[in-house]
Amino acid sequence: DQQVKQNSPSLSVQEGRISILNCDYTNSMFDYFLWYKKYPAEGPTFLISISSIKDKNEDGRFTVFLNKSAKHLSLHIVPSQPGDSAVYFCAARGNYGGSQGNLIFGKGTKLSVKP
Amino acid sequence: DVKVTQSSRYLVKRTGEKVFLECVQDMDHENMFWYRQDPGLGLRLIYFSYDVKMKEKGDIPEGYSVSREKKERFSLILESASTNQTSMYLCASSFVLRNEQFFGPGTRLTVL
Repeated sequence: DQQVKQNSPSLSVQEGRISILNCDYTNSMFDYFLWYKKYPAEGPTFLISISSIKDKNEDGRFTVFLNKSAKHLSLHIVPSQPGDSAVYFCAARGNYGGSQGNLIFGKGTKLSVKP
Repeated sequence: DVKVTQSSRYLVKRTGEKVFLECVQDMDHENMFWYRQDPGLGLRLIYFSYDVKMKEKGDIPEGYSVSREKKERFSLILESASTNQTSMYLCASSFVLRNEQFFGPGTRLTVL
């Protein structure tokens, strides 16, 4: 059973516009969420994170929003640039017995930013 | 600068061969992880380790084993490679009290 879901396998956006990547989770015991970016033939790199006690975290062009009641988070990229084209993974960390604090990843969303 | 290195970027092996994938981190991280990434399946955790000589099974440990003899090194072993183990293998490490994992560049393994 998937605990972290990224329902859109791909997203195409025009350069300069906003990219919104979505992530849903099922486990209310997740207490920390992260977004990773992955280029082909490279390992994922950490992008931005948010604690469950917050509803927004911003870092330059990247903002992550967390809606705990809906068990939903989103990553906004404004303005989008061609170099943002990559696969984006949402990850969640459990803080409960048996979770061992490991990250659970979604399946990823491939973002294409067109010039 | 944070660094996780993996012994090979590309590897081609034959069915039944024993395969070793090596990972080294220079950040003195306690935790180390092995994932595989497959199209449409995301990152799946194979094994992880919280300390030297300690290992825990992840979500898909079947067909794999690991070794951690030194803090900085975590090896993934395929005892008898099979074609369904063709994948991108990613190593990661982190501090025990931190959430962020740092990933290596990955090893693209093809089993023929």
